[in-house]
Amino acid sequence: EVQLVESGGGLVKPGGSLRLSCAASGFTFSGHSMNWVRQAPGKGLEWVSSISTSSTYIYYADSVKGRFTISRDNAKNSLYLQMNSLRAEDTAVYYCARDRGSWGQLVGNDYWGQGTLVTVSS
Amino acid sequence: QSVLTQPPSVSAAPGQKVTISCSGSSSNIGNNYVSWYQHLPGTAPKLLIYENNKRPSGIPDRFSGSKSGTSATLGITGLQTGDEADYYCGSWDSSLSVGVFGGGTKLTVL
Repeated sequence: EVQLVESGGGLVKPGGSLRLSCAASGFTFSGHSMNWVRQAPGKGLEWVSSISTSSTYIYYADSVKGRFTISRDNAKNSLYLQMNSLRAEDTAVYYCARDRGSWGQLVGNDYWGQGTLVTVSS
Repeated sequence: QSVLTQPPSVSAAPGQKVTISCSGSSSNIGNNYVSWYQHLPGTAPKLLIYENNKRPSGIPDRFSGSKSGTSATLGITGLQTGDEADYYCGSWDSSLSVGVFGGGTKLTVL
């Protein structure tokens, strides 16, 4: 059974940092691109970042470029999102999602974690 | 302002059919795959359609997807009250090199 479990969310002050993790199991992690997608309170889904199977291709939304860093460790079946210089507008539920493709370009996110809440507030 | 445009809401009666549109451009829908997601509050989004018109295993054939030019459509037949949810289209934008989602459409089954 495919499972994606996010962790690392919480309350952080503006300008602070958090590192989200996503533990994957039940599939060949190294064979799939992975994405981070977020949903702010009362808003729709927003694609945040994606990473190809071997980390060769990495992409970011303009809203997080230069502040967030996506990475993966295929040996540990884990995906990460390092979030720096956090802003109030980064407050959201962050989902880890497996893509059906391998090159980092959104093809279809077929499995999603339950999400982890990040709250940026003083 | 989302790159992909969806109607904010649609509604129909149980048993009826509804379609949800998703409009984009040549840099996204026009030249890349479209996927569709169902999202119930407090749960993980669910993939309904990928590669424009393919259904993952376990998704009933009441759900269908199509694409024409720079627009895509999700169709749902035999509406059930359990279909009430938010629906999102997604694609890749080759010009911006980013993933893009529509703003979401709230489906109400009256």
